[in-house]
Amino acid sequence: KAGVTQTPRYLIKTRGQQVTLSCSPISGHRSVSWYQQTPGQGLQFLFEYFSETQRNKGNFPGRFSGRQFSNSRSEMNVSTLELGDSALYLCASSLALTGGSYNEQFFGPGTRLTVL
Amino acid sequence: AQKVTQAQTEISVVEKEDVTLDCVYETRDTTYYLFWYKQPPSGELVFLIRRNSFDEQNEISGRYSWNFQKSTSSFNFTITASQVVDSAVYFCALSEARPGNQFYFGTGTSLTVIP
Repeated sequence: KAGVTQTPRYLIKTRGQQVTLSCSPISGHRSVSWYQQTPGQGLQFLFEYFSETQRNKGNFPGRFSGRQFSNSRSEMNVSTLELGDSALYLCASSLALTGGSYNEQFFGPGTRLTVL
Repeated sequence: AQKVTQAQTEISVVEKEDVTLDCVYETRDTTYYLFWYKQPPSGELVFLIRRNSFDEQNEISGRYSWNFQKSTSSFNFTITASQVVDSAVYFCALSEARPGNQFYFGTGTSLTVIP
């Protein structure tokens, strides 16, 4: 079974631009979560989607948004990029059969975003 | 409030030594789940184990073992006879039993196994 895939793997943008990252979950997984990983803040939860609905959102500004499509693929968008948005963005998928949070999350390789 | 603490930032051991990675968690829920993930230099987080709050049995998988103690809110991870391939950052995570799948991660422990 193919794992979680994320595209692109690397991105370089300048301040003020916007960026869209893509995530394809493991086949059959309906929950997709996004995390930001930085050396200073560690792994921080951005949001989670289940069946095209955002069920949970972390403490990030509105510049960070996402969506999920009917095939469970997800995108996250960051508008008006700031230097502090430079990070590894990780996507994770899980079965979440009953909507609970106990299913282990399987992570993709991440997208390394650099904002200049 | 939910919190996961991994007090050990970096650990170095010589190959074949045993090493224990500590994890302490905080939650007010009675039902919760604990996880360990490994992040090698490639960057991808690899799932190692899940434990639910009602199962305090220790678990062993090859050279890996986990000790879950609710009385001390700890979920420690031991690698026996460490190998160079064990070098990675290890994360402990907590998730509560509610929709939204939010995981709370510790800050990670960077393990270096010296040949």
